[in-house]
Amino acid sequence: KQEVTQIPAALSVPEGENLVLNCSFTDSAIYNLQWFRQDPGKGLTSLLLIQSSQREQTSGRLNASLDKSSGRSTLYIAASQPGDSATYLCAVEKWDSGGSNYKLTFGKGTLLTVNP
Amino acid sequence: DAGVIQSPRHEVTEMGQEVTLRCKPISGHNSLFWYRQTMMRGLELLIYFNNNVPIDDSGMPEDRFSAKMPNASFSTLKIQPSEPRDSAVYFCASSYTMGSYNEQFFGPGTRLTVL
Repeated sequence: KQEVTQIPAALSVPEGENLVLNCSFTDSAIYNLQWFRQDPGKGLTSLLLIQSSQREQTSGRLNASLDKSSGRSTLYIAASQPGDSATYLCAVEKWDSGGSNYKLTFGKGTLLTVNP
Repeated sequence: DAGVIQSPRHEVTEMGQEVTLRCKPISGHNSLFWYRQTMMRGLELLIYFNNNVPIDDSGMPEDRFSAKMPNASFSTLKIQPSEPRDSAVYFCASSYTMGSYNEQFFGPGTRLTVL
């Protein structure tokens, strides 16, 4: 059974700092890995999707990397801002054994607070 | 596009009552997912539809839960009878599934409280 772990569970940093969020997964036979952001009381917003053939994706100040062999992904946020405060979740996707459906398994997230 | 639309946003009901949650996926998407989020268990996939057909319902906790997708633009998740332990935030997500690419887009969720 796929298990996804995110460390740390919570992180507080001053504005302007660069930071790294970590995600690890137990089954390396994944297809995609997706990073989401969740604001309090809101739904999830997709940030980046890394396909299994890729090693990283970038969007603005965000960069996500994927190392399937070691079962790890990192989300790098440059020059953090108070508006980045949210919970960040990673999710790994694996085809089911029948090859016809998808399983997204989520970590429990990292609660990020960026202090002005 | 308005994104994934869910209703109601909040639902408070008493134990034993029937609860129906609704979802309108993004137009053109061919896959729809229902998730449940709790503090203890995080986000869990309940059921997944592809082209309106239920593909995997192994995450549905018990027979009190049922889901339907009568057409490409509408899905419901029903709980009957509801119990206090069903209290959670229920999310609907949709995606356009092509090959192994499956970027999911989430609705705002329905916060369910069962008293």
